[in-house]
Amino acid sequence: KAGVTQTPRYLIKTRGQQVTLSCSPISGHRSVSWYQQTPGQGLQFLFEYFSETQRNKGNFPGRFSGRQFSNSRSEMNVSTLELGDSALYLCASSLAGGLGSPLHFGNGTRLTVT
Amino acid sequence: AQSVTQLDSQVPVFEEAPVELRCNYSSSVSVYLFWYVQYPNQGLQLLLKYLSGSTLVKGINGFEAEFNKSQTSFHLRKPSVHISDTAEYFCAVSDPAAGNKLTFGGGTRVLVKP
Repeated sequence: KAGVTQTPRYLIKTRGQQVTLSCSPISGHRSVSWYQQTPGQGLQFLFEYFSETQRNKGNFPGRFSGRQFSNSRSEMNVSTLELGDSALYLCASSLAGGLGSPLHFGNGTRLTVT
Repeated sequence: AQSVTQLDSQVPVFEEAPVELRCNYSSSVSVYLFWYVQYPNQGLQLLLKYLSGSTLVKGINGFEAEFNKSQTSFHLRKPSVHISDTAEYFCAVSDPAAGNKLTFGGGTRVLVKP
């Protein structure tokens, strides 16, 4: 079974631009979550989608948004990029919502904002 | 709000020696507990999880963890480490009522020396 696939692996953008990251979950998984990983703040929860609905949201500004499609694939968008948005963005999928279903992580998209 | 504290940011250890990584959490509700490992340039991989039942949990690669409710701890142990265990380890908690949102600790970097 293929794992969680994130594209692209690396991205370089300029301040003020916007970016879209993509995540394909494991087949059959309906929940997709996004996390931001930085050396200073560690791993922080962005949002979770389940059956195309945002079920949970972290404490990030509205510049960070996401969506989930009917095939469970998810995209994350960051508008008006700032230098502090440079990070590893990790997507994770799980079979069901909650109840301790383990998250399966992709290898991430490393975003560098210059 | 939940929080997770990993008491050691770095743990150097010699090959074949035992290692213990400490994790304490704070939460006003019952939680699920997880340990993940991250190898360089990769996503997170689940080592083990505690949902309920026996407080001693066995995971992959010879790791185990013990849940202690009175001390709100979930320490990870391995009796004999290998060079390949060099990685960063993250403890995480989730609230069963909050879907799949994970709150992570700051991570412990394990460096196994020959």
